[in-house]
Amino acid sequence: AQSVTQPDIHITVSEGASLELRCNYSYGATPYLFWYVQSPGQGLQLLLKYFSGDTLVQGIKGFEAEFKRSQSSFNLRKPSVHWSDAAEYFCAVVPLRPRGNEKLTFGTGTRLTIIP
Amino acid sequence: EAQVTQNPRYLITVTGKKLTVTCSQNMNHEYMSWYRQDPGLGLRQIYYSMNVEVTDKGDVPEGYKVSRKEKRNFPLILESPSPNQTSLYFCASSLRPDREHEQYFGPGTRLTVT
Repeated sequence: AQSVTQPDIHITVSEGASLELRCNYSYGATPYLFWYVQSPGQGLQLLLKYFSGDTLVQGIKGFEAEFKRSQSSFNLRKPSVHWSDAAEYFCAVVPLRPRGNEKLTFGTGTRLTIIP
Repeated sequence: EAQVTQNPRYLITVTGKKLTVTCSQNMNHEYMSWYRQDPGLGLRQIYYSMNVEVTDKGDVPEGYKVSRKEKRNFPLILESPSPNQTSLYFCASSLRPDREHEQYFGPGTRLTVT
């Protein structure tokens, strides 16, 4: 079955430390890949997306993600986290070549806590 | 300012009492959708609408209704709420259906059904 998995439910990181959030997908072909952030009390915001090309994708707020075909992964990284990065992060996929009704499927989310 | 608004933001109700959560967008978007977010389950789509008068079921439509009489509004209706509909609900919109990944999300409505 097609799926997107975020293995870590909750991660705690010290402010200034590096961050990596994991995302794995299971699809017949490489889907379009996305990361969203949900800050407390707010809706989701698109951080970055991968369609094709360079496997290292830069996003907003200093985040980046690397697509690794061999591992079916699209992990989110940030070199140095700030307290304002505390939020819930969702990986999401859309099957290749959207035809107008291909659905966006979300992972279960990873909650990020930042400690001083 | 481009935005998706939802009302109310918080709602506590009792089983069986009909309720409506409103959603409005000011961006002239064709595509609108509703999601519910539950711990450990992520976001699951309830209903979506490709344009005015065109709605379709998402992954978890049971117990919900929607309507799209105007382009800007997409209310979510719970005719007879039950405790298992206690959740955080998000409305979202995008310019076109194939831009679902670029949806603007509303701030969420936290619903508790007792």
